[in-house]
Amino acid sequence: DQQVKQNSPSLSVQEGRISILNCDYTNSMFDYFLWYKKYPAEGPTFLISISSIKDKNEDGRFTVFLNKSAKHLSLHIVPSQPGDSAVYFCAASAVDAGTALIFGKGTTLSVSS
Amino acid sequence: DTAVSQTPKYLVTQMGNDKSIKCEQNLGHDTMYWYKQDSKKFLKIMFSYNNKELIINETVPNRFSPKSPDKAHLNLHINSLELGDSAVYFCASSGGPHNEQFFGPGTRLTVL
Repeated sequence: DQQVKQNSPSLSVQEGRISILNCDYTNSMFDYFLWYKKYPAEGPTFLISISSIKDKNEDGRFTVFLNKSAKHLSLHIVPSQPGDSAVYFCAASAVDAGTALIFGKGTTLSVSS
Repeated sequence: DTAVSQTPKYLVTQMGNDKSIKCEQNLGHDTMYWYKQDSKKFLKIMFSYNNKELIINETVPNRFSPKSPDKAHLNLHINSLELGDSAVYFCASSGGPHNEQFFGPGTRLTVL
């Protein structure tokens, strides 16, 4: 029973264009949502997060949008760069200390030059 | 000055052996975790410790035992290794306002 779902296993985008990665969740008790980027043979790297009381958070080329009524969030990368090619994981969390992140299965982004 | 480090990066061993993976963080965080990434690439929580106290202990065989000698270290001991234990194990620590967790590079365990 996946609480966090990333239904697109892969996405291919041209350099300079927008990349949109999607994520759906089922548990309305989640307080925070996070995106991680992972290169092969490395650990996941934190990218950006959003609180459940917000609908948008922006950091440079990365913007996360949250639609609570639809239980959906998305990560926009503009403009996409070849170095963005990696696996992107969506994760959700509650606020208590020590709470685990619940991860989606990941979307592999390929940005071609 | 790596934030979260794990050793070893690769571990190949025979079934039935006992092994340990070490994790250290220099971020000053109070909470540390162990996650397992299986062959289907899902990252799943195994344990979490807050100030050296066990907070989360998911449905993990008791052959797996975490040990936290201090806030900066969380080691994972695995007894009587089985083929199904082959996976990548990630250590993490957290301290951000949104429970941002910072991961180590992972340890790829292969049980033969």
